[in-house]
Amino acid sequence: SQQGEEDPQALSIQEGENATMNCSYKTSINNLQWYRQNSGRGLVHLILIRSNEREKHSGRLRVTLDTSKKSSSLLITASRAADTASYFCATDEIGGQFYFGTGTSLTVIP
Amino acid sequence: GAVVSQHPSWVICKSGTSVKIECRSLDFQATTMFWYRQFPKQSLMLMATSNEGSKATYEQGVEKDKFLINHASLTLSTLTVTSAHPEDSSFYICSATTASGAGETQYFGPGTRLLVL
Repeated sequence: SQQGEEDPQALSIQEGENATMNCSYKTSINNLQWYRQNSGRGLVHLILIRSNEREKHSGRLRVTLDTSKKSSSLLITASRAADTASYFCATDEIGGQFYFGTGTSLTVIP
Repeated sequence: GAVVSQHPSWVICKSGTSVKIECRSLDFQATTMFWYRQFPKQSLMLMATSNEGSKATYEQGVEKDKFLINHASLTLSTLTVTSAHPEDSSFYICSATTASGAGETQYFGPGTRLLVL
C-alpha cells in the first residue's frame, strides 16, 4: 500500500521560509490526502482534495492537484519550528485501492 | 524493502460477533504500530498507538473496550473489534515504525475491509 512517490525525501529550511513538497501517483483517484506525522506519533490528517478540485487552502497550508500530471503539491507558508515532521500524501484510487507516498521529512530550523 | 502484512484482507461478519485483525512486520522489528480506520472517500483516522509490551494509547473518541489492541511482540499487533455492529464497517489500516540509522521509517499494511451485516 506504499506506491506513491514524494519529492523531496528530506527538506531543511529556515523558520519563516516556505516549504513545498510534491507527490506523484499512477492511476485515477477519487481524492488525495495529505498527512503529517511527528516522530513517534501517528498520522494526523491535514487536507483532503477531491479529484475535481484544483486547489485547497487550510490556514498556512495550500494544496494543489493536477490530475493530468497525476501530481499534487503541499505548500506550507511562513514555516515554524513546530512544522518539523514527516509529511505523507495518500491517494484514494478509483477501484478502492489506498496508497501512501514515501513521505517527506521536513526540518524547520529556528 | 520492509513489508507489513495484515490478515485478513477482507472479513464479513454478523452483528454481535468479534473480529480480530492481525498486523505483522515481516522482516523487521516494529518499535511502534499504529491503527487507523477509514470510511469510504474519507481520510484516515488514527485510532490508537501500540507499543510492544505496554497498553495501547487510544485517541479521543475511540472506545478502548470496543477496539482491543494487543501488541504481544515486536512483529505482531492485533486489533479486535468486539461485538461488531454495522457502523463498525470500515477499512482498517495498520502501520509499523522502526528506528533506523536515518531515524524512524514508517511502513503501511495493505488494510483490512470489515463489513458487518
